[in-house]
Amino acid sequence: GESVGLHLPTLSVQEGDNSIINCAYSNSASDYFIWYKQESGKGPQFIIDIRSNMDKRQGQRVTVLLNKTVKHLSLQIAATQPGDSAVYFCAERWENRDDKIIFGKGTRLHILP
Amino acid sequence: NAGVTQTPKFQVLKTGQSMTLQCAQDMNHNSMYWYRQDPGMGLRLIYYSASEGTTDKGEVPNGYNVSRLNKREFSLRLESAAPSQTSVYFCAITGFLARGWELFFGEGSRLTVL
Repeated sequence: GESVGLHLPTLSVQEGDNSIINCAYSNSASDYFIWYKQESGKGPQFIIDIRSNMDKRQGQRVTVLLNKTVKHLSLQIAATQPGDSAVYFCAERWENRDDKIIFGKGTRLHILP
Repeated sequence: NAGVTQTPKFQVLKTGQSMTLQCAQDMNHNSMYWYRQDPGMGLRLIYYSASEGTTDKGEVPNGYNVSRLNKREFSLRLESAAPSQTSVYFCAITGFLARGWELFFGEGSRLTVL
């Protein structure tokens, strides 16, 4: 589960560079993973998802990679833009627990001009 | 955030007071969730409901009760509020769209307990 009291780590990236945000998940039986973006004062918004039977999935400027061996998920954002500045969370769905969805700690992405 | 409505959006309580956060959806989905998000931190699952009439504890259920009144509504109740429950509360629902399975969030309810 998530530790209480830890503040979000920050990733600073130059505008135009690629960003890689990492996430470790907890349940090896999770069957579905989602990345969310949360801007200040707003609720989380869906970015991209991946099922446990896949290793990679691409969207528009984003790619998600799944490594089930080490229970690791990453989100790659190509050509990072100022509008990408936000907090990014990964979430896992626990397959055997009636759609129980648990979020990771989150990473704040800061774009440098 | 169309489809998930939370009320109230803001609330200030004194320690020991009670209140209920309401969540309603118009998307006819089965699963509903309550999360809390403390400043500078991630979302933690309080309770969830996989279908009408069922509820299950999440990661941080202590101090809360929930009620799945019908398929549309899932309420979160604080019987005796404590300062540690100061947070932003998000209701969410799950369902399938054309691009797959998604978790939709409401706009959040900001609760301050003095």
